[in-house]
Amino acid sequence: GAGVSQSPRYKVAKRGQDVALRCDPISGHVSLFWYQQALGQGPEFLTYFQNEAQLDKSGLPSDRFFAERPEGSVSTLKIQRTQQEDSAVYLCASSLSAGTPNTIYFGEGSWLTVV
Amino acid sequence: AQSVAQPEDQVNVAEGNPLTVKCTYSVSGNPYLFWYVQYPNRGLQFLLKYITGDNLVKGSYGFEAEFNKSQTSFHLKKPSALVSDSALYFCAVRDPNAGNNRKLIWGLGTSLAVNP
Repeated sequence: GAGVSQSPRYKVAKRGQDVALRCDPISGHVSLFWYQQALGQGPEFLTYFQNEAQLDKSGLPSDRFFAERPEGSVSTLKIQRTQQEDSAVYLCASSLSAGTPNTIYFGEGSWLTVV
Repeated sequence: AQSVAQPEDQVNVAEGNPLTVKCTYSVSGNPYLFWYVQYPNRGLQFLLKYITGDNLVKGSYGFEAEFNKSQTSFHLKKPSALVSDSALYFCAVRDPNAGNNRKLIWGLGTSLAVNP
């Protein structure tokens, strides 16, 4: 597609519910990132993929967070047993390749509210 | 440790006046620097980046930024502000020596308000 596409745009989850957030990066982009952005804050890195390989997951806040990109294209961020502090915007981003400082393009974000 | 600072939470300017949004950084080597803009309820949009070469970088929507190595700064500028420039601006840095770690380190953002 023309840009990074994320779904759902808005999600309200009851505490304890599992959620799955989808990211469809720009076609052909090798690198894919997930960021978490709390209200009034800058993005915080969660995890990074190069093709299907998850090279860095140091930003995932707990073992309730899991991300995958099995075919090196679409990625899913899963949050198990959601808690109120998980409420944030989850931003997916992609860039063309891993070897050079390419521009990172962001999706519109998935706005998660845990009630 | 890598870090980015945006010292101003908010910047207010009158339409037609020049604007500056400040950013300073700390990395171990030569940085890759980025500016992004975020409109309400929207994702981050790329404005410009500095990788190497000319210290003055021109980007989208008439914005430019000047890389100053001695002051470790990368301030965003525009000669004449528009009301439609009102948004949240983020500065980010990547350490090119960070190996496979491609993540960006972000500032906390500066809210720009352009008054008619």
